[in-house]
Amino acid sequence: EDKVVQSPLSLVVHEGDTVTLNCSYEVTNFRSLLWYKQEKKAPTFLFMLTSSGIEKKSGRLSSILDKKELFSILNITATQTGDSAVYLCAVDTGNQFYFGTGTSLTVIP
Amino acid sequence: ETGVTQSPTHLIKTRGQQVTLRCSSQSGHNTVSWYQQALGQGPQFIFQYYREEENGRGNFPPRFSGLQFPNYSSELNVNALELDDSALYLCASSPARTGTAYEQYFGPGTRLTVT
Repeated sequence: EDKVVQSPLSLVVHEGDTVTLNCSYEVTNFRSLLWYKQEKKAPTFLFMLTSSGIEKKSGRLSSILDKKELFSILNITATQTGDSAVYLCAVDTGNQFYFGTGTSLTVIP
Repeated sequence: ETGVTQSPTHLIKTRGQQVTLRCSSQSGHNTVSWYQQALGQGPQFIFQYYREEENGRGNFPPRFSGLQFPNYSSELNVNALELDDSALYLCASSPARTGTAYEQYFGPGTRLTVT
């Protein structure tokens, strides 16, 4: 059975801290892995990763994929209160996207 | 360029009733996927439509059905509503499937409550 597992389930940090969110997967057909940020309703797209070892970066956020070990990490440096959200990882298998349950991040001022 | 829109925003229905949720794709996108997101869970894939044909389906019963129209907007229909159908229903659109990886962009969702 295809599945995506995220850890930790929740995280509370102080502003300025660096966090690492984990996503591991087991799927029969891998096309890409995507990260989303969900604050209230619509998940907003962060990154799409298709190749191992190539870091994607956007400001304070970065992500990398390891297709041999079947995981990805999302790093957020110098966290801000606006980073508080649920971060979702999804794997595209070609005919559907499997989502993890998400990591709830709370950044305290 | 307009984003993905969904209607209605909120809906309250009674068990046994039927409901129709609507989604308008982002401009230039011809693939639409529907997801159910229960509280505290990740989105669960219901089905996907590509150029008006169902292109993949998750583990949902047949009372969940859909349509995609020539303008690529879409509907999700749920018959014989059950209490467990209460959730946030998300629609996501994406550009043409060319056999390569693509991104999905989500609408704001419809919050369905079944009493």
